[in-house]
Amino acid sequence: EAQVTQNPRYLITVTGKKLTVTCSQNMNHEYMSWYRQDPGLGLRQIYYSMNVEVTDKGDVPEGYKVSRKEKRNFPLILESPSPNQTSLYFCASSFGGAQGTQYFGPGTRLLVL
Amino acid sequence: AQSVTQLDSQVPVFEEAPVELRCNYSSSVSVYLFWYVQYPNQGLQLLLKYLSGSTLVKGINGFEAEFNKSQTSFHLRKPSVHISDTAEYFCALMDSSYKLIFGSGTRLLVRP
Repeated sequence: EAQVTQNPRYLITVTGKKLTVTCSQNMNHEYMSWYRQDPGLGLRQIYYSMNVEVTDKGDVPEGYKVSRKEKRNFPLILESPSPNQTSLYFCASSFGGAQGTQYFGPGTRLLVL
Repeated sequence: AQSVTQLDSQVPVFEEAPVELRCNYSSSVSVYLFWYVQYPNQGLQLLLKYLSGSTLVKGINGFEAEFNKSQTSFHLRKPSVHISDTAEYFCALMDSSYKLIFGSGTRLLVRP
C-alpha cells in the first residue's frame, strides 16, 4: 500500500531534550516536506527537500533541522525543543516536484513541557 | 509576500444544500492552487488542483473550484453536500520555488 508513515504518532517531552520524528514514504517520491499545524494558522511549511541531499527552508524553519540521506526518509530533528514547538506535525511527499499530488502522513502530535 | 486568505473559519450548512468555501490569494507571480480536506484525526487529502489550462477544475467527491485570476480567487463549491463532507478544508498555493502556503482553514459543518 502506498503510504507516508510517521513515528511516533504522539510524543510528550520536556524542554531541551533532543528528539527526532521519522518520516518514510514507499512511493519513490523525490519531493518531501514537513509542516506544522496550529489552530487558526493552518499548516505552515518547516522544511522541504527536492531530492536526496537537497533541502531548503520553508516559512518556519527556526528550531528545526532535517536531513535527506535516502530518498525514502526525511526525519525532522528538534535539537532543543521548546514549548512553542508544541504542535501537530505532518510529513508529505510527491512526484515531479511540488506539482505532483502531495500525500500526507497521519501526523505526529507533540507536546513540549 | 505571497499569502492565502480563507474568509470563513466555519461554514454551517444543511445536508443536500449547496456550499461555497471562499479562498483568495496574493501573489505577484504565477501560482499553482490546491484544495485539501482534513477529516477528524487524519492527514490531508488532495481534493483538486489548478496548474494551468481550464479555469474550472473538478475534483473528488463532487467538489469543483474555479480559478479567477482577476479576482485572485479560487473558491470551492459543491452543489449538494452530505454529512460525510463535514471536515476542515484548506486552500493552498505553491510558487515556482515549490513552497506550499496554506490558508487558515474552513471548517465545514453539515447538519441533517
